[in-house]
Amino acid sequence: DTGVSQDPRHKITKRGQNVTFRCDPISEHNRLYWYRQTLGQGPEFLTYFQNEAQLEKSRLLSDRFSAERPKGSFSTLEIQRTEQGDSAMYLCASQGTWGGQQETQYFGPGTRLLVL
Amino acid sequence: GNSVTQMEGPVTLSEEAFLTINCTYTATGYPSLFWYVQYPGEGLQLLLKATKADDKGSNKGFEATYRKETTSFHLEKGSVQVSDSAVYFCALSDNTGGFKTIFGAGTRLFVKA
Repeated sequence: DTGVSQDPRHKITKRGQNVTFRCDPISEHNRLYWYRQTLGQGPEFLTYFQNEAQLEKSRLLSDRFSAERPKGSFSTLEIQRTEQGDSAMYLCASQGTWGGQQETQYFGPGTRLLVL
Repeated sequence: GNSVTQMEGPVTLSEEAFLTINCTYTATGYPSLFWYVQYPGEGLQLLLKATKADDKGSNKGFEATYRKETTSFHLEKGSVQVSDSAVYFCALSDNTGGFKTIFGAGTRLFVKA
């Protein structure tokens, strides 16, 4: 169990550019979640996948945001035409759905995005 | 909708002091409740959890009891250490469908030697 990993850990971009983040969940975890955390706030839910199916999207996820999990393993979160308001920490979490692991989500270290 | 409210920080304590961080929630159904901790420069770590009413979660000297009658899940520790300085997040898991986690705003704790 190597934990949840995210890449890159930091990203600085100019307004209007596209960025893509990657999350590798704990292997055999079939649920994967994306959250956004702004300074001084708790994480806010963005979207989640069960295997490769995207089952729920928050209203926070505007049309400029898209997430995929094509093979039910790693996931990508893309932000198109970035805005300064997109600056935040983007967190990924994974979760198993059997036994005592059903409720616990394990978080990655996050990708910190700064849009200039 | 579901929500979590926790006491505002920062909370500043001296080493070996008693800690309480209040947390109340609003939820339909029977959520699971969590405390996460975020140390400086690190990611979120699960500190403890409780999955049903009257359950007590505990870890590293911290504990919290799931109180359905008061919709609360207050975090306590009898004697804090400098190394406990971090941001603490109360959270609930929506157990209907997606199990997404809803977080409070976080409470920053500073412990002075």
